[in-house]
Amino acid sequence: DTAVSQTPKYLVTQMGNDKSIKCEQNLGHDTMYWYKQDSKKFLKIMFSYNNKELIINETVPNRFSPKSPDKAHLNLHINSLELGDSAVYFCASTTIDNSGNTIYFGEGSWLTVV
Amino acid sequence: SQQGEEDPQALSIQEGENATMNCSYKTSINNLQWYRQNSGRGLVHLILIRSNEREKHSGRLRVTLDTSKKSSSLLITASRAADTASYFCATDISGYNKLIFGAGTRLAVHP
Repeated sequence: DTAVSQTPKYLVTQMGNDKSIKCEQNLGHDTMYWYKQDSKKFLKIMFSYNNKELIINETVPNRFSPKSPDKAHLNLHINSLELGDSAVYFCASTTIDNSGNTIYFGEGSWLTVV
Repeated sequence: SQQGEEDPQALSIQEGENATMNCSYKTSINNLQWYRQNSGRGLVHLILIRSNEREKHSGRLRVTLDTSKKSSSLLITASRAADTASYFCATDISGYNKLIFGAGTRLAVHP
């Protein structure tokens, strides 16, 4: 069973549309993230939730709205999609403790805005 | 500017050779981690080294950390074609509960 699963894997949509990407983890972790990887493979953190509460918001446009219905799920909704939103979006999870913050990643969602 | 920067950006070697990738960072860290990403896939955690450790091994991987120079290196010994991937270092900055990734090194291992 996949530890961190996200859907859809591929998404092609037109500018101006609204879309959502869903993420679920079955690792029992208390913290989940969304990362964005651009065309140059650069990974940047977008959001982090700990026990359903937003703890990190990295100056992401408010067209992006994360939602965490419970600590095993973190969904990403994007309004009014723009060409520059085309990227790979990775969901990830971890348990924050003193032993280190090893993060487990999903397989990514390839978003193409046309 | 980025917290972690890897070099080289790309590395091409023959099977059996060793591959060394370096990572530099700017601020104090709790730990530093290395991840691998195969083309079209997610990131896979390889190894974590804490700020009070200097060297760590895992199979064919050896990671060093020099906090005085704010740098780390990842050595893959006896490389295989299956090691072809992008390798990222990520720093866990004290008190921020998040990993900041560098731009990665693209490793190509030729049979």
